[in-house]
Amino acid sequence: QQQVKQSPQSLIVQKGGIPIINCAYENTAFDYFPWYQQFPGKGPALLIAIRPDVSEKKEGRFTISFNKSAKQFSLHIMDSQPGDSATYFCAARFTGNQFYFGTGTSLTVIP
Amino acid sequence: EAGVAQSPRYKIIEKRQSVAFWCNPISGHATLYWYQQILGQGPKLLIQFQNNGVVDDSQLPKDRFSAERLKGVDSTLKIQPAKLEDSAVYLCASRVAGGETQYFGPGTRLLVL
Repeated sequence: QQQVKQSPQSLIVQKGGIPIINCAYENTAFDYFPWYQQFPGKGPALLIAIRPDVSEKKEGRFTISFNKSAKQFSLHIMDSQPGDSATYFCAARFTGNQFYFGTGTSLTVIP
Repeated sequence: EAGVAQSPRYKIIEKRQSVAFWCNPISGHATLYWYQQILGQGPKLLIQFQNNGVVDDSQLPKDRFSAERLKGVDSTLKIQPAKLEDSAVYLCASRVAGGETQYFGPGTRLLVL
């Protein structure tokens, strides 16, 4: 059973566009929601994270929007650049510190 | 600060052979995770250690997979015997006790023929 559902599977945007990646979860015991960026041949790296008591968090060009009642959260990348081309994973942490990952979104930013 | 180290980076074996992966977490990180990442999917937790004790191994296929973290630092993950479906990237991650951020190593790419 997929604990965290992520969409879309792939995304292509023009440079300067705002790609949006969405995730949904069911388990209300999740207490921490990170987003990871992964380049080919590398391990995932933490990009930005949010707790469920906050509706939005912004770090540089990356913003997480969190809707606790809908059990959904999304990643927005402002002014996207070709260097942002990577695979993005959302995740959710269970209170026992186990992390569950989404299936990933392959983002391509066209110059 | 050195990151999470993993070796080997690549491994090709035939089915029914055995293989072992090694992970050295960031110094001082008490929590260590092993994940399996199949191509096109997100990482799936196999086992979580807190120091040298197992916190969660509910998704570890114990008939063929084993892991240990004897001194609470380095960890090894073993597969014996390997199956074709074990072809994946095996990621190690570590986290300081009480911290939120997991730091991932580069992974070991396993191909089972």
